Amino acid sequence: DTAVSQTPKYLVTQMGNDKSIKCEQNLGHDTMYWYKQDSKKFLKIMFSYNNKELIINETVPNRFSPKSPDKAHLNLHINSLELGDSAVYFCASSTIGGTEAFFGQGTRLTVV
Amino acid sequence: SQKIEQNSEALNIQEGKTATLTCNYTNYSPAYLQWYRQDPGRGPVFLLLIRENEKEKRKERLKVTFDTTLKQSLFHITASQPADSATYLCALDPDKLIFGTGTRLQVFP
Repeated sequence: DTAVSQTPKYLVTQMGNDKSIKCEQNLGHDTMYWYKQDSKKFLKIMFSYNNKELIINETVPNRFSPKSPDKAHLNLHINSLELGDSAVYFCASSTIGGTEAFFGQGTRLTVV
Repeated sequence: SQKIEQNSEALNIQEGKTATLTCNYTNYSPAYLQWYRQDPGRGPVFLLLIRENEKEKRKERLKVTFDTTLKQSLFHITASQPADSATYLCALDPDKLIFGTGTRLQVFP
């Protein structure tokens, strides 16, 4: 069983489009995260949700909007995609107060 | 400002030697620090967690130390193998899980 799953694994789209990445975890965790990993491999936190509530929003453009329909899901919607949005996006989850975090396999987004 | 730095972007060692990776942080007072491994095309995988009141933690060939005075953690892989080649990341801050810049370890036969 996959603990944290993201879809799609690859996403190629044109500038200006709107796209979504889905994330689901079956671990019963209360906290979920979105991270962006750029071409230099630096892993930067974007959002953190705890029990469907936004906890952390790390100066991310408001074109990025996370949505958590329930505590097992945290989806990422991106409007008006830009070239600089190209990166690998990782979803993760952990228990409250975060010890071990479990990551999804990543979504490689390419904006052309 | 808060920073987490892993001072080697890349580290190359020979099989059988001990690899030592460094994680330094500033303007944090973490209750614990974590180490993760990331292979190409995959998400990070948790390896070890060490708490502020622990000086050292071991797991098989892995050893982590944590010096809150120096604001530094060292991550050791003893008897390294080519299969240990990967990027290793330290992380702290339980609310945000902030990651360091990572060290790419290459173990040569």
